[in-house]
This record gives sequence, C-alpha cells and structure tokens, in this order.
Amino acid sequence: QLQLQESGPGLVKPSETLSLTCTVSGGSISSSSYYWGWIRQPPGKGLEWIGSIYYSGSTYYNPSLKSRVTISVDTSKNQFSLKLSSVTAADTAVYYCARRFMGGEHRSGGMDYWGQGTLVTVSS
Amino acid sequence: SYELTQPPSVSVSPGQTARITCSGDALPKQYAYWYQQKPGQAPVLVIYKDSERPSGIPERFSGSSSGTTVTLTISGVQAEDEADYYCQSADSSGTYEVFGGGTKLTVL
Repeated sequence: QLQLQESGPGLVKPSETLSLTCTVSGGSISSSSYYWGWIRQPPGKGLEWIGSIYYSGSTYYNPSLKSRVTISVDTSKNQFSLKLSSVTAADTAVYYCARRFMGGEHRSGGMDYWGQGTLVTVSS
Repeated sequence: SYELTQPPSVSVSPGQTARITCSGDALPKQYAYWYQQKPGQAPVLVIYKDSERPSGIPERFSGSSSGTTVTLTISGVQAEDEADYYCQSADSSGTYEVFGGGTKLTVL
C-alpha cells in the first residue's frame, strides 16, 4: 500500500523559507505514470494546489505562487520536497503531499494518495 | 487565473439525493475529479475522470458532466457522507491544477 508522509518544521518565522519533505513508501517515485504534488489548506479554508513534479525533475507551479516556490525530487531517497520563500502569515496552512496520476495528454490528472498533512504556522 | 465555482453549502435529509455542482470554462476539455474531506482528515478521491468511481467508494457516489458544469451526485445520502467536497480540474492547457472552493454537505 502506497504511503506518503510529510515532514518538516511546524513553525516558520515571517520572511524565512518554509521547507517540507514528502517521503514515499510502498512504491517508487520514479514511476513514469505519476506526478507528485503539494497542496495546502489554510485553517478553515479550501484546498490550493501549489505545484507538481515528475521524477525527471519537470515541474509545474501555481502561477500565484511561482515566484516563491521550488519543488525538487530525490529519487535515491524516494522523496520530493517543497520550498516556499518569503513566507507571511497568509502561508499558515496544513500542507499535503499527494500522488497525481495522469489524465492523458494535456488532460487534468487526479490525486489518489495523500499524506496525512502537516500544519505549518508562520509566526515570530 | 482559472477558477472552478461550487456552491458553499448543500443540505439534504438522510436517504435523499444530494447534487453538488462545479462550473468552469475549461471543463468541456478537462476531466474533473471529486474529493471528500472530513474534519481533520486528508481528502479522499471519490470520483475521477468525471464519472469513474475508485475501488472502495460506495456506489451511491456518481459523477456526470454537461458542458461547463460537472456534478457529484450522492444517492441515498447517509449521515457518514456529511463532509466538505471539492472538485478539481485543470486549465485549458492541462498544465495548472485548480480546486473549487468546496461545498459543505450537511445531512439534516
């Protein structure tokens, strides 16, 4: 059974960089059939897609966050990571990692496995 | 930026049918996905590619598509179906994912 687990600091100071890692177990991150993504959810609000990465390193970012986001992959560790720079209180959220399967060429894909989520609070 | 629009809330009595809509200009070209999220839990995929149901999801969950609107239908709603539901799709290029604002389903 595939499992994803987020890890990283639960508290980040304003203007600093938020860093999270997602460890994938029970399957290979190098599968050609999937992307791997980050999604966040501010307290009491809806889901927001942050970005996705393919095992080759190809990335797609939410245009509204693109200037501050970097997603990377480490296939040797079966992990992928998120960095979000210059954080403010508005970046306080539960951050989820997820596996995104493909919908077809130029078609949207869905997310079938999710981590449990980790709360990151931005505060001094 | 591309948006998907959902009603904030839907209420139904147990045993009735709940319908949750999601509208977006690119939906005729892109698949829609539906997720169920209960408090304190990660989202769970309940419908993929507009109308397909993953294994383990009850048959009372179904999806449909018509033009720029997709619909999640829950037939014979049960108390355990009370949750937030999110649609998800992509822009017309298929590059950027987007979630709807979410719909809170209340079982009266």
